[in-house]
Amino acid sequence: QVQLVESGGGVVQPGRSLRLSCSASGFTFRSHTLYWVRQAPGKGLEWVALISSDGSRKDYGDSVKGRFTISRDDSKNTMYLQMNSLKEEDTAVYYCPKAAWTGRTDYFDSWGRGTLVTVSS
Amino acid sequence: QSVLTQPPSVSGAPGQRVTISCTGTSSNIGAGYDVHWYQQLPGTAPKVLIYADNNRPSGVPDRFSGSRSGASASLAITGLQAEDEADYYCLSYDTSLSGSVFGGGTKLTV
Repeated sequence: QVQLVESGGGVVQPGRSLRLSCSASGFTFRSHTLYWVRQAPGKGLEWVALISSDGSRKDYGDSVKGRFTISRDDSKNTMYLQMNSLKEEDTAVYYCPKAAWTGRTDYFDSWGRGTLVTVSS
Repeated sequence: QSVLTQPPSVSGAPGQRVTISCTGTSSNIGAGYDVHWYQQLPGTAPKVLIYADNNRPSGVPDRFSGSRSGASASLAITGLQAEDEADYYCLSYDTSLSGSVFGGGTKLTV
């Protein structure tokens, strides 16, 4: 049974940093591309970042590029999101859904409960 | 402004059929990339309803179906039930952005 547990959220002041973690179980972690997706309060879903299974490819959404860094530790079945220079518009629930490959694209077939990040002075 | 355009809201009476559209461009849906659909009930994480245009994961009722044409896709829900009241999102890949893109979401009222 797939389990995804996001942690590390909280209240942080603008300009500060925060690191999120995603602990996974129930699937072959090292074989999967991993993603972060966020949802601002009352808003839609936004892709944030991805890291390939071997870690060689990292891509970011335009709104976080240059400020956020995604990484993974396959020995711990854990993925991270280092968030620097946080802005109020980064306030959101952050999810690390499990991706499944269709042969052409990834889609997210399992989701955790997410962790809430609030950026406020 | 989302890359994929969805109507903000749709509504229907119990038992009726509704469709939710997802309009993209030549760099995402129009380029042939898969479209996936998600249902998000209030206060919960999204759940996949349709993947790769028209495939239903096990456990998803056959009242839900997906289709695509050109640079657009649609989610159809037949036999509307009160429990279908939720937000619905489409997802695809955009080659010019080198990443996944979501639609802005559609609120379904039953």
